[in-house]
Amino acid sequence: DAGVIQSPRHEVTEMGQEVTLRCKPISGHDYLFWYRQTMMRGLELLIYFNNNVPIDDSGMPEDRFSAKMPNASFSTLKIQPSEPRDSAVYFCASSSDRLPEAFFGQGTRLTVV
Amino acid sequence: AQSVSQHNHHVILSEAASLELGCNYSYGGTVNLFWYVQYPGQHLQLLLKYFSGDPLVKGIKGFEAEFIKSKFSFNLRKPSVQWSDTAEYFCAVMPKAAGNKLTFGGGTRVLVKP
Repeated sequence: DAGVIQSPRHEVTEMGQEVTLRCKPISGHDYLFWYRQTMMRGLELLIYFNNNVPIDDSGMPEDRFSAKMPNASFSTLKIQPSEPRDSAVYFCASSSDRLPEAFFGQGTRLTVV
Repeated sequence: AQSVSQHNHHVILSEAASLELGCNYSYGGTVNLFWYVQYPGQHLQLLLKYFSGDPLVKGIKGFEAEFIKSKFSFNLRKPSVQWSDTAEYFCAVMPKAAGNKLTFGGGTRVLVKP
């Protein structure tokens, strides 16, 4: 398996634009997590899914953020409209009940100017 | 809700020195415990994990960690560090009753001087 795949690796956008981050989890994993990493706040859990269903979205900062998982092999994190304070590295991770350790993707470095 | 505390934000040491990073968590039930490492510019990778059994667990690259249930601690150790161990280290807790939800500590940046 190629591991957790995220795209794009880097994204630079202007304030007010819509941003969509994508994630493909490891095949067979039934949990998917979205994390945000910044210098100030460290690693924050934004939302996680189990069997494509959102379980806990309490970490989503505000209504500008939304996440979907239409099927077991794909998830998106959308920010609309984006703001400079959204600049961060966004990581996707997946895991399974059989082996609960999380495997992380390479991350998407988002810069909002 | 559970929380994870890593006491040291930054550690600087020389090659061949011993390393110990502290991690304490607050949660009353049974937990799975993890240490992850993030090398500069890279993603998080698993160093080691504890699910049950022997509280002293060994991971990759010569790292080990000890789970002390009475102290709610899971400290990471390495007897002799190398320059290549320069990275940020994250402790994480997964309550067994909470699905696979991982809560991370704030991380410890380790700089090993050659």
